[in-house]
Amino acid sequence: EVQLVESGGGLVQPGGSLSLSCVASGFPFSSLSMSWVRQAPGKGLEWVANIMQGRTEKYYADSVKGRFTISRDNAKNSVFLQMNRLRAEDTAVYFCVTDGVVRGVDYHYFDHWGQGVPVTVSP
Amino acid sequence: DIQLTQSPSFLSASVGDRVTITCRASQGIGTYLAWYQQRPGRAPKPLIYAASTLQSGVPSRFSGSGSGTQFTLTITNLQPEDFATYYCQELTYTFGQGTKLEMK
Repeated sequence: EVQLVESGGGLVQPGGSLSLSCVASGFPFSSLSMSWVRQAPGKGLEWVANIMQGRTEKYYADSVKGRFTISRDNAKNSVFLQMNRLRAEDTAVYFCVTDGVVRGVDYHYFDHWGQGVPVTVSP
Repeated sequence: DIQLTQSPSFLSASVGDRVTITCRASQGIGTYLAWYQQRPGRAPKPLIYAASTLQSGVPSRFSGSGSGTQFTLTITNLQPEDFATYYCQELTYTFGQGTKLEMK
């Protein structure tokens, strides 16, 4: 069974930093692209960042580019999101997700989701 | 950047009804479109990928169609557990704004 367990959320002041972690199990972690998706209170879903299997290719939403950094440790089946210069609008539940690959084809959707970790940016 | 527009934003229906939600892309995306269901307080759950392929374990009353810029999600014989919010999502990871399906 695939499991994604996020941790590291909490309350932080504007301008501060926070680091999220996600530990994965139940699938060959190093073979899948991983992403973070967030959802502000009462709002829709927003993709935040993606890291490919090889750890070198990384992509970011314009809203977080230059402030957030995604990374992974394939030996520890983990993906991370370092969030710097946080703003009130970064307040959201952050989900760790896997890219959907079926019979070797990446369909660019998210087939497994963690339970989410809340991040609140407030004075 | 690709934009996705869902319609309607809100939908009221009854158990046993058939409903359709539309997702329009600002440019052609082939069939790289997925649909998700999200119940309050829960993580989204994938329903359909590649526009029309049912995710494993999803009931057959859910179906998807479309290609290019116009896509639809259809739910037949609505069940109580289907009342939730639905999102579409395209290959560059943009999501639609969501459609909230409420019980009439």
